[in-house]
Amino acid sequence: QSALTQPASVSGSPGQSITISCTGTSSDVGGYNYVSWYQQHPGKAPKLMIYEVSNRPSGVSSRFSGSKSDNTASLTISGLQAEDEADYYCSSYRSSSTLVVFGGGTKLTVL
Amino acid sequence: EVHLVESGGGLVQPGGSLRLSCAASRFTFSSYWMNWVRQAPGKGLEWVANIKQDGSEKYYVDSVKGRFTISRDNAKSSLYVQMNSLRAEDTAVYYCARGSSLTWLTFNFMDVWGKGTTVTVSS
Repeated sequence: QSALTQPASVSGSPGQSITISCTGTSSDVGGYNYVSWYQQHPGKAPKLMIYEVSNRPSGVSSRFSGSKSDNTASLTISGLQAEDEADYYCSSYRSSSTLVVFGGGTKLTVL
Repeated sequence: EVHLVESGGGLVQPGGSLRLSCAASRFTFSSYWMNWVRQAPGKGLEWVANIKQDGSEKYYVDSVKGRFTISRDNAKSSLYVQMNSLRAEDTAVYYCARGSSLTWLTFNFMDVWGKGTTVTVSS
């Protein structure tokens, strides 16, 4: 069982919006603004999409946004495109010996 | 463009050892925390370890403590992980990833990733 809980899969049609949740505890997601989101296409390395809850790295589309409420972080993708089909992982700093935790990943299917 | 290239993966028997390397280029390597992250076949990402800019602090996931040792050589812009007493469950693609640029901040996010090197532990 992963330290952070994500839905196994989500889907949406082109042009629609989807949201992926990431639930942790007060020791990680809820306690710190060090939540990040990564996109991973099959056979490729992960790519940072959102850092520190809601910030977008240079070059990442504005269609990607992040937020947090209590112990749950969320990634929203608006205006879905075929190229968005990938696995998405959330990650957070954790105040324990483990230091860094990931969610189990969410497979996004663009219908 | 900032670049990370892992090497050293391969097939090793249970109980064996392996040393992975990660060569960094086009950024000031000595200014960043560095991380190792792994992904078992068909599974999700798992953070393995990280190391401070000067090597004075190191952190590990519980499952590798006492078996893996992370290190770095800033003069060579290189990151390493020495993996001993390898188990079947260590089989994974191992990624090197750039971390925090702040010396006091152990982890915030990983913004640059290598393509990974595959480690297979099997008899």
